[in-house]
Amino acid sequence: QSALTQPRSVSGSPGQSVTISCTGTSSDVGGYNYVSWYQQHPGKAPKLMIYDVSKRPSGVPDRFSGSKSGNTASLTISGLQAEDEADYYCCSYAGSYSYVFGTGTKVTVL
Amino acid sequence: EVQLVESGGGLVQPGGSLRLSCAASGFTFSSYWMSWVRQAPGKGLEWVANIKQDGSEKYYVDSVKGRFTISRDNAKNSLYLQMNSLRAEDTAVYYCARDDWVWATIDYWGQGTLVTVSS
Repeated sequence: QSALTQPRSVSGSPGQSVTISCTGTSSDVGGYNYVSWYQQHPGKAPKLMIYDVSKRPSGVPDRFSGSKSGNTASLTISGLQAEDEADYYCCSYAGSYSYVFGTGTKVTVL
Repeated sequence: EVQLVESGGGLVQPGGSLRLSCAASGFTFSSYWMSWVRQAPGKGLEWVANIKQDGSEKYYVDSVKGRFTISRDNAKNSLYLQMNSLRAEDTAVYYCARDDWVWATIDYWGQGTLVTVSS
């Protein structure tokens, strides 16, 4: 049950694209197509942005997209906007009805 | 609208106990698995425990096994977390959250309640 590995921070200018990686093992990310991504603004609860690797809940802009290859999942934010500045966490199913989260990535809009 | 409202957090001494509650509304509570997720100050998210719709199955992260107990009361639309033998490293904001096992994801979160373990 070790945390998934994410870069500590990424940054980009408005309108640019940024990609956040999330690396796990064959027991979590690589073993299931059940990866979610959450956005968390300071002092707020996490918000679901992506589920099932690449699906977006209703109301989430299509600027957010997800993918997976092997043991690594990725979140891409295209057309970066000021309100996208936040912490982002990946989360994977890890078997036996359990979850494992990533270490978190701070996205800064320059 | 799905709403999850936690309560019961506070300051407790190491070795002490605390019971968190979560009041759910806006959905059929008895139809969903529910989870507790915590976040230590300035740190990342950590899944703590979850419970099946009827309470017959419960799962925990290794670090809380034997100390924490998750439970629910479907008649009251409420989720609970009994925390015993608390340690400093249990200090965190505890979030009540709804599981969606169609997609193996956590789709809704409460605003959280802060638990501080300190002497």
